[in-house]
Amino acid sequence: AQSVTQLGSHVSVSEGALVLLRCNYSSSVPPYLFWYVQYPNQGLQLLLKYTSAATLVKGINGFEAEFKKSETSFHLTKPSAHMSDAAEYFCAVSDRDYKLSFGAGTTVTVRA
Amino acid sequence: SAVISQKPSRDICQRGTSLTIQCQVDSQVTMMFWYRQQPGQSLTLIATANQGSEATYESGFVIDKFPISRPNLTFSTLTVSNMSPEDSSIYLCSVELQPNTDTQYFGPGTRLTVL
Repeated sequence: AQSVTQLGSHVSVSEGALVLLRCNYSSSVPPYLFWYVQYPNQGLQLLLKYTSAATLVKGINGFEAEFKKSETSFHLTKPSAHMSDAAEYFCAVSDRDYKLSFGAGTTVTVRA
Repeated sequence: SAVISQKPSRDICQRGTSLTIQCQVDSQVTMMFWYRQQPGQSLTLIATANQGSEATYESGFVIDKFPISRPNLTFSTLTVSNMSPEDSSIYLCSVELQPNTDTQYFGPGTRLTVL
């Protein structure tokens, strides 16, 4: 069975600063890993995914994530935060059995 | 990607009643999923709905409470039956557009409040 831990339920960054959201996973097989973003009163939007190709994955809106097998991590970063990045971010893992397990989520606040 | 819509977008219901939520996608998909997102919480999978077969429910969810229909490859419904205030949540459907990728795309959600 797979599981996800997101470190930090809330992250506050200044506009223009680095955004770093941490995700660690456990999986019994080589996993697929995902980051989703949820803006207020909306559904989830796929930011990026890792499916065993390149370990550094680039997504939409300037986000990227790096798969590190040795650390069982899939942290999400963006070099320069924008006000529009304020949202909740979810890391998810699948054991390639079509089911996704989601982390608890990290709320990002961007300060002007 | 695909366009995934849900109806209603939100509703306020009385306890003891039932609400049926619709999910429509603009392309044919094999796998559709229903999730619950309780206030301030993450997503929990309720069931997987494949066209032509009975829905598969996750632990803690039963068909009598959450009956699901999947009449064709573009549509599904989830009914929340005999509602109580504890059922107040956002209900989201998702689809796997490319088979065997485990990549799910989500609808906008239905925000349900039970009084």
